[in-house]
Amino acid sequence: DGGITQSPKYLFRKEGQNVTLSCEQNLNHDAMYWYRQDPGQGLRLIYYSQIVNDFQKGDIAEGYSVSREKKESFPLTVTSAQKNPTAFYLCASSPPGRGGYYNEQFFGPGTRLTVL
Amino acid sequence: AQSVSQHNHHVILSEAASLELGCNYSYGGTVNLFWYVQYPGQHLQLLLKYFSGDPLVKGIKGFEAEFIKSKFSFNLRKPSVQWSDTAEYFCAVNYGGSQGNLIFGKGTKLSVKP
Repeated sequence: DGGITQSPKYLFRKEGQNVTLSCEQNLNHDAMYWYRQDPGQGLRLIYYSQIVNDFQKGDIAEGYSVSREKKESFPLTVTSAQKNPTAFYLCASSPPGRGGYYNEQFFGPGTRLTVL
Repeated sequence: AQSVSQHNHHVILSEAASLELGCNYSYGGTVNLFWYVQYPGQHLQLLLKYFSGDPLVKGIKGFEAEFIKSKFSFNLRKPSVQWSDTAEYFCAVNYGGSQGNLIFGKGTKLSVKP
């Protein structure tokens, strides 16, 4: 089945540790995204990547890092510099837009990170 | 700055009641508009989208939305809600066309009482 997988579903880490969240897609989409979802805050964009080996900061990139070595994979590292890392993290992908239209994003199931 | 506002944080309705969730966006030229839904424990999924043409857009599960350009609004409607519509609903706007990104509203939680 085509889709986006995120692992693990739940993740616990001690304060001060870096942690990497996995995101894999087999939809052959060029663009991939990472969002953070907090109650009452909606989704906020952390990083996005339009093509392999290229990525850009979103609205709340501080304390996070990403890589895009393969089209299928877009891992997110939550570093110890992130002041409030406990949150629900969503990965998404989308095919390229055409004619000025922006294609919809397809979302993974999310990873809930708790920093103790 | 570009922004998306959803006016209702939590809406509680009884089954068969009509639903309208508000969404307003800040001016930014051409926009592409989306409504996503997040059912409890499930993926965020697309309800409907508007790119151009008829401003009344029909989506899945009986939902529809109307784009009113003069009001910068894209309100979501359903004539008769069901208990299974209990979920969180997000409005999202793309300002940059194919090269841009989505800006999400803060979401509206809908609770439908059986």
